[in-house]
Amino acid sequence: EVQLLESGGGLVQPGGSLRLSCAASGFIYSTYAMSWVRQAPGKGLEWVSGISNSGGSIYYGDSVKGRFTISRDNSKSTLYLQMNRLRAEDTAVYYCAKNGEGREWPFDYWGQGILVTVSS
Amino acid sequence: NFMLTQPHSVSESPGKTVTISCTRSSGNIAGNFVQWYQQRPGSSPTTLIYDNNQRPSGVPDRFSGSIDSSSNSASLTISGLKTEDEADYYCQSYQYGNRWVFGGGTKLTVL
Repeated sequence: EVQLLESGGGLVQPGGSLRLSCAASGFIYSTYAMSWVRQAPGKGLEWVSGISNSGGSIYYGDSVKGRFTISRDNSKSTLYLQMNRLRAEDTAVYYCAKNGEGREWPFDYWGQGILVTVSS
Repeated sequence: NFMLTQPHSVSESPGKTVTISCTRSSGNIAGNFVQWYQQRPGSSPTTLIYDNNQRPSGVPDRFSGSIDSSSNSASLTISGLKTEDEADYYCQSYQYGNRWVFGGGTKLTVL
């Protein structure tokens, strides 16, 4: 059974930093791309960032480019999102998502989500 | 860059059939696969449909997906509606340049 467990969320002041982690199990982690998707309170889903299975290809949404860094440790089956220079509009539930087969990386499994609140 | 537009909300009675549309603003809907995700209240999303019309194992065949090039849109059809189908539904597609685009979501009420 695929399991994705996010951690590291919480309350942070504007301009601060936070690192999210996502522990994966139930599949061969090093074989699949992974992504972060967020959902602001009462809003829809927004893709944040994606990383290939090897970590050699990395992509960011325009709203986080230059502030967020995605990475992965295949030896620990863990995905990370380093979030710097946080803004109020980054307040959201952040979901770790496993990408499925195919060149367009559909999302096939999702974590339970972790809340990040940016506020003074 | 394209957008995916969904109706804000739809409602239908139990046992009936409902269709949720997802219209692509530019470029050919058939140019990239469309996925559909279900998000029940207070829960994380789950995958209902991938590659336009494929169901992951465990998803009932009451759920089906299709695309229509004439309207440049994708559709999610749910037949034999159940109260447990009440949720938010999101379409999603890949955009060249390595972007993943979501529709704004549709709230389904089963009344």
